[in-house]
Amino acid sequence: AQSVTQLGSHVSVSEGALVLLRCNYSSSVPPYLFWYVQYPNQGLQLLLKYTSAATLVKGINGFEAEFKKSETSFHLTKPSAHMSDAAEYFCAVSDPRGTGNQFYFGTGTSLTVIP
Amino acid sequence: DAGVIQSPRHEVTEMGQEVTLRCKPISGHNSLFWYRQTMMRGLELLIYFNNNVPIDDSGMPEDRFSAKMPNASFSTLKIQPSEPRDSAVYFCASSSYSGGGNSPLHFGNGTRLTVT
Repeated sequence: AQSVTQLGSHVSVSEGALVLLRCNYSSSVPPYLFWYVQYPNQGLQLLLKYTSAATLVKGINGFEAEFKKSETSFHLTKPSAHMSDAAEYFCAVSDPRGTGNQFYFGTGTSLTVIP
Repeated sequence: DAGVIQSPRHEVTEMGQEVTLRCKPISGHNSLFWYRQTMMRGLELLIYFNNNVPIDDSGMPEDRFSAKMPNASFSTLKIQPSEPRDSAVYFCASSSYSGGGNSPLHFGNGTRLTVT
């Protein structure tokens, strides 16, 4: 079974500060991993994905995430927060073994950016 | 690419009424998912289809909920009869599945359902 844990349901950072959103997964095999962002009254948009290529993945809007197998983590970072980054962020995992197309989402982290 | 299209964007109905939510996936995508999002429960998978066939409907909360995918370009989620606790935002998502879950989901903008 696969699962995702996002530590911290709410994170606040100052504009210009580092953004760090945490995601840990539980899986019997290295999974595929995704980060999504949700702005108010919108659906989830893909930020970036890890599918067993480079462990450091760059996404849109200056975000990146690093897959660390030893820590079973896929934390999302951005060097300098912008006001427009305020949103809900979801980490998700899927199974690479072709047993289905099931995705498992974390409970989300709400990011607030303080001017 | 028009993206995943959901209709209506907002639906307000009275308890006991039938509600039908509609979804048009991205052309060429062969997997379709229905999710429900609430403050209390977060994002819940209700059902997903591969090649128009329901694969996992274990998330459908009750028999009042049903979903169909008559063809590759259209799906419906029906609630009959609706109840106030069904109030939520319902999302449809699609992906291109070829074995292994490396194709990300593409979400629509959701239908906000309010049952009074």
